[in-house]
Amino acid sequence: GAVVSQHPSRVICKSGTSVKIECRSLDFQATTMFWYRQFPKQSLMLMATSNEGSKATYEQGVEKDKFLINHASLTLSTLTVTSAHPEDSSFYICSAPTWRLNTEAFFGQGTRLTVV
Amino acid sequence: TQLLEQSPQFLSIQEGENLTVYCNSSSVFSSLQWYRQEPGEGPVLLVTVVTGGEVKKLKRLTFQFGDARKDSSLHITAAQPGDTGLYLCAGLTNSGYALNFGKGTSLLVTP
Repeated sequence: GAVVSQHPSRVICKSGTSVKIECRSLDFQATTMFWYRQFPKQSLMLMATSNEGSKATYEQGVEKDKFLINHASLTLSTLTVTSAHPEDSSFYICSAPTWRLNTEAFFGQGTRLTVV
Repeated sequence: TQLLEQSPQFLSIQEGENLTVYCNSSSVFSSLQWYRQEPGEGPVLLVTVVTGGEVKKLKRLTFQFGDARKDSSLHITAAQPGDTGLYLCAGLTNSGYALNFGKGTSLLVTP
């Protein structure tokens, strides 16, 4: 079946540095990918929609200059958390729809970001 | 934004018991999906319901889509410790193909 791979699974960084998270669709092309953020024991909150070849669409309240999204190819989207602060610590998850029946979405394994 | 309300938020039961999780909205959805998520991992799709009144079974799990396509339920029969996890319902947004998620139901099944 379709697989979405996310890397890294865990990252610890110092406050003020930037972290890049990759999301790849392994056996299908994804012109659109989605980035979610999840706090402990809470649901997934959509951050932005990543569009191949064009600018990402950000949800209200999400700083586009802080969370840079690049969708340079049909199989890769990246999320860069710039100038990370401890409050950015969270679980970040990407997903990609396959455009098959019912638009099934497959999710990456998630990235646990800890900013110290 | 189409909101999905899930209940209960937390559920702790013993092995062998039955349970039902509800997902409700004031909006009509073309389809609803149920996911299960384990700690530190991404959600895994369990089922998609499309037709109002539809019932789908996945082993001990029974999913139902309301006639008006505004609500859905997940019933687990004879729960097992392996069923422990976060259960999320999700529906497609109006604007595109991103999913709106309910707040989730955290299920703990103890032996």
